[in-house]
Amino acid sequence: DAGVIQSPRHEVTEMGQEVTLRCKPISGHNSLFWYRQTMMRGLELLIYFNNNVPIDDSGMPEDRFSAKMPNASFSTLKIQPSEPRDSAVYFCASSPTGGISGYTFGSGTRLTVV
Amino acid sequence: SQQGEEDPQALSIQEGENATMNCSYKTSINNLQWYRQNSGRGLVHLILIRSNEREKHSGRLRVTLDTSKKSSSLLITASRAADTASYFCAIYTGTASKLTFGTGTRLQVTL
Repeated sequence: DAGVIQSPRHEVTEMGQEVTLRCKPISGHNSLFWYRQTMMRGLELLIYFNNNVPIDDSGMPEDRFSAKMPNASFSTLKIQPSEPRDSAVYFCASSPTGGISGYTFGSGTRLTVV
Repeated sequence: SQQGEEDPQALSIQEGENATMNCSYKTSINNLQWYRQNSGRGLVHLILIRSNEREKHSGRLRVTLDTSKKSSSLLITASRAADTASYFCAIYTGTASKLTFGTGTRLQVTL
């Protein structure tokens, strides 16, 4: 089992550019979560999906952020346009049971917007 | 907020000593989980304790849960330099299919 796979590992982009982060959950896991981690705000839940359906996107900071899960094996988090305050580490996590038995996290994407 | 609050925020100990981290929360829970995060990495699930359990062990880890006080503690015995990491508690309430994470304790184990 390869675990939760995120790409890219690092992304440096200029302000105003579109950024797309990708996540492949563990096969058979029906819940997927996107988190953002910064020193100032800690670990923030942005959005989560159950069976490919977005359940709660109340953590998405602005309309500039959008997330999709077109199938059970792939999800994207898009920021358009990006701003320097979006710089953070973005984590994807998946779970077979909606979190009751725990999450498996990916290694994260470190995003720097200059 | 349902978010767990961890105490202390940072802890520095010497190798071989025990490390204790505490987590407090504000709502009823189904279970409480502890995670470790090494620098630059994702969180790794360590141990889960259900609301009807009071203590659980896994190797050098010991977790206790006091639902009357809405608190949990994580004890790492005989710490090693490799235990240096941030440790997070997370609560699962059952009202939503998600975990709510605490703010974390940064543990530094020195030789």
